[in-house]
Amino acid sequence: GNSVTQMEGPVTLSEEAFLTINCTYTATGYPSLFWYVQYPGEGLQLLLKATKADDKGSNKGFEATYRKETTSFHLEKGSVQVSDSAVYFCAPSLNQGGKLIFGQGTELSVKP
Amino acid sequence: DAGVTQSPTHLIKTRGQQVTLRCSPKSGHDTVSWYQQALGQGPQFIFQYYEEEERQRGNFPDRFSGHQFPNYSSELNVNALLLGDSALYLCASSNRGRGTIYGYTFGSGTRLTVV
Repeated sequence: GNSVTQMEGPVTLSEEAFLTINCTYTATGYPSLFWYVQYPGEGLQLLLKATKADDKGSNKGFEATYRKETTSFHLEKGSVQVSDSAVYFCAPSLNQGGKLIFGQGTELSVKP
Repeated sequence: DAGVTQSPTHLIKTRGQQVTLRCSPKSGHDTVSWYQQALGQGPQFIFQYYEEEERQRGNFPDRFSGHQFPNYSSELNVNALLLGDSALYLCASSNRGRGTIYGYTFGSGTRLTVV
């Protein structure tokens, strides 16, 4: 079936550290890939996206590259800030109807 | 430009009762999807509405039903509430066929507590 596997959290980093959150997926067809972020007590915000192989999505210093051969979409940021503390969700969107498949999310905590 | 609006923000119900949650999509969007997010988990797809019809459904019992109105707003109804229905219910809107390209806009959710 369709599924997403993210690295388990919580991930705790110091400010200005390098961030990687791994994401691999299993999906039929050729999905679009998204990263969403959820701040405490809020809904989900779209962080970045990629719609085809080798596309790189980027936003607010975050980047992720669509790797079709490894079915991965790892999230990276060169220098995290305290304000990046949140839960991050990787989610493929299937072409058939477009529903999002979410994993369990990865909680990031950035300390000053 | 208003994003996705959900109401109410919080709700407490008793087991066995029925509840209705509401969602107004982002301006220009015509498709509404509902997700259930249990505490500490990722959102799970409930169903999607387009042109006032349910187009796709996730693995949820018939106690969960919905409706979409001509102005694209939507309701989620849950009957015979169980304690396990306690969760954050998220509404997401998109343009039909473009959600996979441009992404989905989520509301802040309705926190439902069943006691």
